[in-house]
Amino acid sequence: GAVVSQHPSRVICKSGTSVKIECRSLDFQATTMFWYRQFPKQSLMLMATSNEGSKATYEQGVEKDKFLINHASLTLSTLTVTSAHPEDSSFYICSATTRRETQYFGPGTRLLVL
Amino acid sequence: KNEVEQSPQNLTAQEGEFITINCSYSVGISALHWLQQHPGGGIVSLFMLSSGKKKHGRLIATINIQEKHSSLHITASHPRDSAVYICAVNHSFYGGATNKLIFGTGTLLAVQP
Repeated sequence: GAVVSQHPSRVICKSGTSVKIECRSLDFQATTMFWYRQFPKQSLMLMATSNEGSKATYEQGVEKDKFLINHASLTLSTLTVTSAHPEDSSFYICSATTRRETQYFGPGTRLLVL
Repeated sequence: KNEVEQSPQNLTAQEGEFITINCSYSVGISALHWLQQHPGGGIVSLFMLSSGKKKHGRLIATINIQEKHSSLHITASHPRDSAVYICAVNHSFYGGATNKLIFGTGTLLAVQP
């Protein structure tokens, strides 16, 4: 089946630094990628929708200058958490989809900001 | 009220039991997904369905479009089935549908040996 990878799987950083998370579709071209965050014992919250070659569409309440999304190709999207703070500590998950509705999820990245 | 509701929120079962998790939704949909999230966090897509019934191994998913309801069944449950099961829907609307998913809050299943 389709595989989506994320890198890194875990990251610990100091407050004020920026962290980049990569999401790759390994065996298919993804027309759209989604970025989610998940707090403990809560469901996934959609942050933004990313289409290759165009600007990401952010959900209400998500700061686009804080969470920079770049979708450079049909197989790669990146999420950069700029000037990270402890409240940004969370589990970030990407998913990728083709024109059909099936979404393939990455394994997630656990971010801890000290 | 959430657009996608799941029940129960928590479920503990003994190994071998038949398990049912329910999902109700209040919006028009083009597809419904059942997802499995293990303690490590990774999410696996179990089923995507828009009508009828699908079966994969010990897992069965059904959907009733008229009643806006879906169920996930696990037969002969095993401790390795312990995970969070999430129902999600693709919202459809006049003129089309979206790849954006609306998620239920999940059902935490613990299967004890």
